[in-house]
Amino acid sequence: KQEVTQIPAALSVPEGENLVLNCSFTDSAIYNLQWFRQDPGKGLTSLLLIQSSQREQTSGRLNASLDKSSGRSTLYIAASQPGDSATYLCAVPESNTGGFKTIFGAGTRLFVKA
Amino acid sequence: NAGVTQTPKFQVLKTGQSMTLQCAQDMNHEYMSWYRQDPGMGLRLIHYSVGAGITDQGEVPNGYNVSRSTTEDFPLRLLSAAPSQTSVYFCASSYGLGHRTLVYGYTFGSGTRLTVV
Repeated sequence: KQEVTQIPAALSVPEGENLVLNCSFTDSAIYNLQWFRQDPGKGLTSLLLIQSSQREQTSGRLNASLDKSSGRSTLYIAASQPGDSATYLCAVPESNTGGFKTIFGAGTRLFVKA
Repeated sequence: NAGVTQTPKFQVLKTGQSMTLQCAQDMNHEYMSWYRQDPGMGLRLIHYSVGAGITDQGEVPNGYNVSRSTTEDFPLRLLSAAPSQTSVYFCASSYGLGHRTLVYGYTFGSGTRLTVV
């Protein structure tokens, strides 16, 4: 059964710092991995989607990498800003259900101090 | 704007009451799903649908019913509300099935915050 773990559960950094959020999964036979952002009291917004054939995806100050063999993904945020404060979740499709079930990590709650 | 629309945004129910959470998408997505989000537990799949007339159970289906009569709508019914169903509920959709679903990822609604007293 696929399990997704995100470390750390919470992170507080000063503005301008570069930071890395970690996501690990137990079943490496994934088709893709998706990173989401969730603001307090809001829904999930998709940030990056990495296909299994890709090693990384970039969007602005965000860079997500995927290492299937080790069961890990990282979300790198460059030059963090207070507006980046949110919870970041990673998710992978359950490999033996053709993507019909997606497994989410519990998220990393990020606070960027001005 | 195209996307996933959930109503209501907030709801308070008394134990034993029933209600329906609405979810609609206008992107012609085949796949739709319902999740609940509880503190420290991430998102857990309740039910999902791979097309009109086809639904299946997720990880935590007990106490909930779904139906999919059209591509656009996927309502979630609470049959007899219990305090354990206090949660935030999210609806999500994706284009395509199988491999195509995996390619395009998911779009989420803004959620329904439900409190059962």
